Amino acid sequence: QVQLVQSGAEVKKPGASVKVSCKASGYTFTNYAIHWVRQAPGQRLEWMGWINAGNGDTKYSQKFQGRVTIIKDTSASTAYMELRSLGSEDTAVYYCARDKLVPPSSYDHWGQGTLVTVSS
Amino acid sequence: DIQMTQSPSSLSASVGDRVTITCRASQSIRSYLNWFQQKPGKAPKLLIYAASSLQSGVPSRFSGGGSGTDFTLTISGLQPEDFAAYYCQQTYTIPRTFGQGTKVEIK
Repeated sequence: QVQLVQSGAEVKKPGASVKVSCKASGYTFTNYAIHWVRQAPGQRLEWMGWINAGNGDTKYSQKFQGRVTIIKDTSASTAYMELRSLGSEDTAVYYCARDKLVPPSSYDHWGQGTLVTVSS
Repeated sequence: DIQMTQSPSSLSASVGDRVTITCRASQSIRSYLNWFQQKPGKAPKLLIYAASSLQSGVPSRFSGGGSGTDFTLTISGLQPEDFAAYYCQQTYTIPRTFGQGTKVEIK
């Protein structure tokens, strides 16, 4: 069965970076995209960016441009999201989600979420 | 960015009720809209994609409609497990924005 398993919770200081992993199983990794979505406490879901797990193309929300990088390790069927220059406003649960490479989009499987806490 | 606005932000309903949630986009998104259900502490779950297509395994009491800027999610015959938050998301363009959510609570 399809599974996306994310790395564990992180506590970071302001100004630091965090790297969250998302390991896929149960399907051909390179036939789909991986999207990253975050949710701050009590807030709406917020889309951050995505990677085509086939050719490695990426697109990011302009809000995070320059601070976020999404990469993949095809041999490990794993996608990574790195967010730099963390501030308290980056405290959130970060999710990865699988999507098809061609429309219509459907985020049909999600990781369990990774809580990132930014605190001095 | 395309703004997604849901209404209401919360509602109280009873088991067996018919519930409709509305999502409005700030510009036309054709039928590029998903609906998700989220329970506390859990990841979102896809219910509807492409505005009206029911995701595999999702009960048929959930239905979606609309195109352009106005969309609806209807739950026909609310069940105890349906009390949750619901989010719409446009997938027409980047960034793929979400609505603010609608919390469905027990009356």
